[in-house]
Amino acid sequence: IAGITQAPTSQILAAGRRMTLRCTQDMRHNAMYWYRQDLGLGLRLIHYSNTAGTTGKGEVPDGYSVSRANTDDFPLTLASAVPSQTSVYFCASSLMIGQPQHFGDGTRLSIL
Amino acid sequence: GIQVEQSPPDLILQEGANSTLRCNFSDSVNNLQWFHQNPWGQLINLFYIPSGTKQNGRLSATTVATERYSLLYISSSQTTDSGVYFCAVDRGAQKLVFGQGTRLTINP
Repeated sequence: IAGITQAPTSQILAAGRRMTLRCTQDMRHNAMYWYRQDLGLGLRLIHYSNTAGTTGKGEVPDGYSVSRANTDDFPLTLASAVPSQTSVYFCASSLMIGQPQHFGDGTRLSIL
Repeated sequence: GIQVEQSPPDLILQEGANSTLRCNFSDSVNNLQWFHQNPWGQLINLFYIPSGTKQNGRLSATTVATERYSLLYISSSQTTDSGVYFCAVDRGAQKLVFGQGTRLTINP
């Protein structure tokens, strides 16, 4: 079934540890995005990628990095996790920037 | 930056009722999308509607770009319609700005 797969579905992590959230899509979409969803703050864009090989910063990029080595994969890395990064993380994709976005099921991340 | 306001913040209805959700935005936009986040947390794209009216089954949406608002109509509500409805806008840049959502509860 075509769509976006995120892994893991949930994770508890000690502060200071490194963590990579995985995102894979099989729709051959050019654009991909990472959001975090927090109570009272809604969804906020962390990083995005217009196409393979390019990335850009969103609204809340600090503490996160991304890479886009190919069309399908867009991993999000927390180099040294902090408790304020406790959130639900959503990966999304669209055929191109500005087109309808489709979301994965999210990763619930708790930093202790 | 652009502001997106949704109303009402919460709505509780009985099954079979109709509802209208509103999204106001503070500046001109290139596109507007409506999403449904179900009780399991999944986000589903309902409409991509920068202007005009679209319908999909019991749901329809209208965006009046010149007056900076969009409406989502849900007719004959079902319990599976429960969840949070978000509108999100962008101005052609990479950043999709989300509203705070309307939490809809449909009681049997």
